[in-house]
Parts: sequence; structure tokens; C-alpha cells
Amino acid sequence: SAVISQKPSRDICQRGTSLTIQCQVDSQVTMMFWYRQQPGQSLTLIATANQGSEATYESGFVIDKFPISRPNLTFSTLTVSNLSPEDSSIYLCSVEGTTGTDTQYFGPGTRLTVL
Amino acid sequence: AQSVTQPDIHITVSEGASLELRCNYSYGATPYLFWYVQSPGQGLQLLLKYFSGDTLVQGIKGFEAEFKRSQSSFNLRKPSVHWSDAAEYFCAAQDSGGYQKVTFGTGTKLQVIP
Repeated sequence: SAVISQKPSRDICQRGTSLTIQCQVDSQVTMMFWYRQQPGQSLTLIATANQGSEATYESGFVIDKFPISRPNLTFSTLTVSNLSPEDSSIYLCSVEGTTGTDTQYFGPGTRLTVL
Repeated sequence: AQSVTQPDIHITVSEGASLELRCNYSYGATPYLFWYVQSPGQGLQLLLKYFSGDTLVQGIKGFEAEFKRSQSSFNLRKPSVHWSDAAEYFCAAQDSGGYQKVTFGTGTKLQVIP
């Protein structure tokens, strides 16, 4: 399985600002995924990021609010823009290997609190 | 629409007792099935997965799960629960074919009492 790290692990932000979350993997992977876990809720997929192409967003999520970069096969960033208290969540990245292992492995998550 | 249902939001068991967490799925074709565990303040750890073949799947930490096509279920079991098993457990499903979206259930929070 891949080893995934995320930065920051947690942050407290003011309303109207933005937060960029980094996800680093210890091996090259084709697909990276970003999920949101709202307080007391399950995980919801935000978008899928394939290296070299634009991210694919799920219904209810838009690029202006959640821009994603995927500059290489081991790294991705998710920005949560124009923050509001409703954005307070845990954001997790996950990866699935280049060989299509059909199993997603998750990072430790970034806990965001918006005041 | 594809969905995963975990009917039990919260379960309390005594240490040493057996455990069964329920999961049902609704997919057009039999999906890949997973159980993940999330300890407080931690990310998700994969416990086990089912792709095909033997319907009884062994995982880490002494967990197993049984796939029942007729019931569209994938229940997680452990014969003897330890206090360290207290966590939230998520059942998840994914269409076959690689790099597909994973749909999660709402989770079951397990409390273990001495």
C-alpha cells in the first residue's frame, strides 16, 4: 500500500480566506481523489485528479470553490476557497495505484475549522 | 442510484464479546466491497476487501466479512472484540474496472465497554 501524507494536519481559518491542502504519496500513482467528511458524516467524493488533465468534479462541487492541481504522479493540492463555516470538515486525499489495484488508500486527513 | 447502507449508527459491545456490523449495497452489478476503520483523529485504514471468489474474506486485526449476493450484504464480524477496536467503521463499494468512485456508507460507531 502507498504511504500518504497531508499538510497541514489541521488549521483554523477566517471566513472569506482560502486554504490549500497538500497531498504527497511515496510512489507514483495514476489517480488521486479528494474527499470531504463533514462533522459526524460519511465521506463524500469531491473530485478525481489525474496527472496531466483537469480534475473531474462530482455533482455539487465546482472548480471555482475547490481548485485542484496535479503537477506530477506523487503530488496534488486541493484549495478550499472563500471559506465559510459550512466548509469546516476533514478533507482526505486517497490514491489508487498505477496498476489499477482497485483499492483506495487514504491519507490522515486535514481538519479545517472556519470561524 | 448506487448506495451503501449501514443501518446501525452506533453499537456498544462488551470487551470479549462477538461483533457484527451490517452493510447493504445497491448497485447495478456486484461491486467491489470494502471495510475501512477510522480511529479518532486518524485517517481511514483498510480492514479488508472483496473483489470476487471466496465469499468469506479475512482481514487485518482479526476481522472477517461475508459477502452474500442474495441479500446484497457484506457484514463485518469479529469473534472477540478488544477495547482498541473502538472506532468508526465504514463500509464502501466501488464499481469494478479500476479507478472508479468509491461510495461510502454513513458509518457505524463502535463503543467497547469493559
